[in-house]
Amino acid sequence: AQSVTQLGSHVSVSEGALVLLRCNYSSSVPPYLFWYVQYPNQGLQLLLKYTTGATLVKGINGFEAEFKKSETSFHLTKPSAHMSDAAEYFCAVSERGNNRLAFGKGNQVVVIP
Amino acid sequence: SQTIHQWPATLVQPVGSPLSLECTVEGTSNPNLYWYRQAAGRGLQLLFYSVGIGQISSEVPQNLSASRPQDRQFILSSKKLLLSDSGFYLCAWSEVYSNQPQHFGDGTRLSIL
Repeated sequence: AQSVTQLGSHVSVSEGALVLLRCNYSSSVPPYLFWYVQYPNQGLQLLLKYTTGATLVKGINGFEAEFKKSETSFHLTKPSAHMSDAAEYFCAVSERGNNRLAFGKGNQVVVIP
Repeated sequence: SQTIHQWPATLVQPVGSPLSLECTVEGTSNPNLYWYRQAAGRGLQLLFYSVGIGQISSEVPQNLSASRPQDRQFILSSKKLLLSDSGFYLCAWSEVYSNQPQHFGDGTRLSIL
């Protein structure tokens, strides 16, 4: 069964600094990978996804992620943090033929002015 | 475009009372439908998913049940709520194919007194 590891439940980043959220997955077949963002008391919003093709994926709000098969990773980055990036971020994986997503425990991002 | 509606937004219920949360999707046909529960610091827990009318898969044995009486309607129910049922409940839908992301409603905050 697929699974996701996100280390560090809380991540603090200074405004204007690099945002880096790590995601490692476990999957027995080539995975489909997703990053979601959740603002307080709201549902999850899709940031970006990797299915096939180019391993560097660009998403909304200036975020991007790179699929590295050899490292079983799908880390999320943004070059310059903005105050509006304060939210919780979830990495998720699914497998071909399996409609269920496995979510990581999430990273709560705090942006320091 | 597709939209997902989930209600109510907040709910306060006494222990032992029944529960009914409703979720509807517009703008698509035969979606996969999901119910998740989110507890603080514990990520998302998949409760139920459905690939068609009357087809419900339960992921975790619990005090809750789900039904799909119509193609785009998904209902989460309980006959007698427990304190441990408190949490943030999210409904989601996706296209049939496993490489497609899930799209989430705005959630229901359920508090049990």
